[in-house]
Amino acid sequence: DTGVSQDPRHKITKRGQNVTFRCDPISEHNRLYWYRQTLGQGPEFLTYFQNEAQLEKSRLLSDRFSAERPKGSFSTLEIQRTEQGDSAMYLCASSQAGQGALGEQFFGPGTRLTVL
Amino acid sequence: AQSVTQLGSHVSVSEGALVLLRCNYSSSVPPYLFWYVQYPNQGLQLLLKYTSAATLVKGINGFEAEFKKSETSFHLTKPSAHMSDAAEYFCAVSYGGSQGNLIFGKGTKLSVKP
Repeated sequence: DTGVSQDPRHKITKRGQNVTFRCDPISEHNRLYWYRQTLGQGPEFLTYFQNEAQLEKSRLLSDRFSAERPKGSFSTLEIQRTEQGDSAMYLCASSQAGQGALGEQFFGPGTRLTVL
Repeated sequence: AQSVTQLGSHVSVSEGALVLLRCNYSSSVPPYLFWYVQYPNQGLQLLLKYTSAATLVKGINGFEAEFKKSETSFHLTKPSAHMSDAAEYFCAVSYGGSQGNLIFGKGTKLSVKP
C-alpha cells in the first residue's frame, strides 16, 4: 500500500472560482478526515467520514465547502466561490475505526491552495 | 474549549544536544495525546502516542514523551539531536468518543546546528 494520496498537490486559482480536491485513503481504512493548515498554524479539523457517512463537520466548514465520499473509498472536497482566506494546505488523513481515538491517523502530503 | 499549547514556535539545538519540545493541554478529562512530525513537502508522520498504559512513551527515531497529569503536559524529548531531526513537530490531543478527530498545537520548528 502506498499510503494516503492527494491530488492535486498544488492548485492556484482566482478568487470566485470553484476548486475540487481528491483524497485516496489507505484501502482498508474506513475513516477519512479533512484538515486545513494555514501558515504558522497546526492543522484544524474540518470534517470526517466513516465509510460514506459524513459524521461530523467543524464550524470552520462554511456553506461554500462540501465534502463527499460516495462509495466509502476516495473523498472529494469542493470549495465554491473561493476567497483569499481559503488559501491553505488541505490535508487528508485516514484511519481504521474500531481502534477508537487511538487509531492512528495516516496523513497524505496535502494539497496547497493559493487563491489570487 | 479543549486546546493544545506548544511553547516556542522555533527551537534551535546543536547536533548531539538534548531536544526538548514542550506541549501542554487543557482538559477536564484525560485526553489521548500524540506527537507528529512534518518534514518539508511531506505529510504528518506519527512519532508516538499516549495510550494511558504507561506515562513514559517511546516513539520512533529515539524520541520519547512523558505524560504528567498534574502538569497537564506531554513534552517531547530526545537525548541527542541529529541533523535529520530538523522538521516541524506538532502535539495533538483527541478526547475519545466516536470521532477521534485531532486538535493540534501550532507546531514547533526544530533546527539542528552542526
